[in-house]
Amino acid sequence: NAGVMQNPRHLVRRRGQEARLRCSPMKGHSHVYWYRQLPEEGLKFMVYLQKENIIDESGMPKERFSAEFPKEGPSILRIQQVVRGDSAAYFCASSPPETGMENTEAFFGQGTRLTVV
Amino acid sequence: GENVEQHPSTLSVQEGDSAVIKCTYSDSASNYFPWYKQELGKRPQLIIDIRSNVGEKKDQRIAVTLNKTAKHFSLHITETQPEDSAVYFCAASIYGNKLVFGAGTILRVKS
Repeated sequence: NAGVMQNPRHLVRRRGQEARLRCSPMKGHSHVYWYRQLPEEGLKFMVYLQKENIIDESGMPKERFSAEFPKEGPSILRIQQVVRGDSAAYFCASSPPETGMENTEAFFGQGTRLTVV
Repeated sequence: GENVEQHPSTLSVQEGDSAVIKCTYSDSASNYFPWYKQELGKRPQLIIDIRSNVGEKKDQRIAVTLNKTAKHFSLHITETQPEDSAVYFCAASIYGNKLVFGAGTILRVKS
């Protein structure tokens, strides 16, 4: 089991460009959570998705940010028109379908470190 | 919504001593409390967790206690070693993997 895979590991974007971050959950997992970690801070929940559904996006900024988890392929976190304040580490975590809303260990990916210049 | 406060923000201990990190939470509906260790540039890794129906849990040198009435929980590391040096985060959850994290504690173990 390769674990939760995120790519790219590092991403540099100029202000105004788009950033696309990918998260492939662990095999058999169909729930994905995205978190953002600003420098020297804790992780902040952004969005919870199941295949083809956004379940909870209460932590997503209202503008420029979107997330999807299609039937096939990885989950994508998209940031449009990036600004310097978007520079952060973005982590995703996955859990298996049978857990539903039950608390389980969150398996985190290695993260994508976004730098906006 | 849930809010988690964590103290201290930095902690220095001598190798072999104990380290204690404390967290408080605000939402009494929270029922799952994991602790994560994060080394520089790496992902958070779960070191121990506790559910609201348990008051204490221990795993070798690591223990966690939970006081639901006071809404606080603590991480205890005994016989600290240099490799314990890292940032530690507490978290609280109402459901699934939706976690509210504390701000973190930088632990330095001096040899």
